[in-house]
Amino acid sequence: ETGVTQSPTHLIKTRGQQVTLRCSSQSGHNTVSWYQQALGQGPQFIFQYYREEENGRGNFPPRFSGLQFPNYSSELNVNALELDDSALYLCASRGGYEQYFGPGTRLTVT
Amino acid sequence: GDSVTQMEGPVTLSEEAFLTINCTYTATGYPSLFWYVQYPGEGLQLLLKATKADDKGSNKGFEATYRKETTSFHLEKGSVQVSDSAVYFCALSGGRSNDYKLSFGAGTTVTVRA
Repeated sequence: ETGVTQSPTHLIKTRGQQVTLRCSSQSGHNTVSWYQQALGQGPQFIFQYYREEENGRGNFPPRFSGLQFPNYSSELNVNALELDDSALYLCASRGGYEQYFGPGTRLTVT
Repeated sequence: GDSVTQMEGPVTLSEEAFLTINCTYTATGYPSLFWYVQYPGEGLQLLLKATKADDKGSNKGFEATYRKETTSFHLEKGSVQVSDSAVYFCALSGGRSNDYKLSFGAGTTVTVRA
């Protein structure tokens, strides 16, 4: 147990729709990152939030956006869903050198 | 940019066999190195880490040594158990201020047979 929780566990969306995924970070951790893990691949960095500001972004288009709240919980929003967005989305909160991952949200786009 | 290359799987072993998974990296600066494990249907768990050259990370019988001269961080375990069946990911982070994003390898699937 890392103390990082994500919701929902699974969801199914249709191409073109929008989705919001949620993450509660481990107590005291003010940095949250999001990763996309396609089936059979390693996680890919989407972006990172530090004290409510985005301060790092991977190679993802602007339709991937996020928020971090004063309590350091976070949201990942994806607009105009595409079939290739089907993946496991992982949230991680950072303490020192280590990142602690949540169990992930499995998104299926049909 | 930073990248990690790890041994392709899948790897199938018998219980009590020796496991090694090769990992090499390319990075600027002095990255921290990690091994994460993912059990079926679950998220990632940190297995071990090393933050500077010649450090040895260890946990649950697994070990890996940060070798700067060969840019490697190979994972080893002397005697595997069925419960070690999982996907293993090698990863690095830059370690610079506000640059803690992780770059992962593609993962190695390990299956241990009784």
